[in-house]
Amino acid sequence: DAGVIQSPRHEVTEMGQEVTLRCKPISGHNSLFWYRQTMMRGLELLIYFNNNVPIDDSGMPEDRFSAKMPNASFSTLKIQPSEPRDSAVYFCASLGYGRTEAFFGQGTRLTVV
Amino acid sequence: QKEVEQNSGPLSVPEGAIASLNCTYSDRGSQSFFWYRQYSGKSPELIMFIYSNGDKEDGRFTAQLNKASQYVSLLIRDSQPSDSATYLCAVGALRGTDKLIFGTGTRLQVFP
Repeated sequence: DAGVIQSPRHEVTEMGQEVTLRCKPISGHNSLFWYRQTMMRGLELLIYFNNNVPIDDSGMPEDRFSAKMPNASFSTLKIQPSEPRDSAVYFCASLGYGRTEAFFGQGTRLTVV
Repeated sequence: QKEVEQNSGPLSVPEGAIASLNCTYSDRGSQSFFWYRQYSGKSPELIMFIYSNGDKEDGRFTAQLNKASQYVSLLIRDSQPSDSATYLCAVGALRGTDKLIFGTGTRLQVFP
């Protein structure tokens, strides 16, 4: 298996623009997580899905952030409009049913200027 | 109070020594505990998990859990320069959910 695949790896955008981050979880995994990592706040859970259904979105910072999982093999995290304080590395991770290890993608480094 | 707290470090130890990494958590209902390693510019990868009080050993790594004190630690024996990384403590928030809360990590430096 290719592991969790995220795209793009790097994104530079101007303040106010819409940004869409993409994630393909490991085939057969039923839980998917979106995390944001910064030096100051570490790794923060934004939202997680179970069987394509959002279970907990309490970590989503504000209405500018939205996430979808239209099917078991694809999820998006959208920021609209983006702001400089959104600059961070965004990780997607997936977990198989009854398993212990959540596997992380390589991350998307987002820079908003 | 943060849900999962770690000393940011850096923790510097000489090659061959024991590195001790510590983590405290605030939710007494937490059921599962994990240690992830993250090299600079890379994604986190799981090293160990522990569910019950006591010690769990895997090679050079030992995880220790004390639920009464809400304390988790990771010992790395015979530390190697390749162990230099940031170590993230993660706590499973509630039984029956997959939600993991991470600490901010401790940077470990192993010098030759």
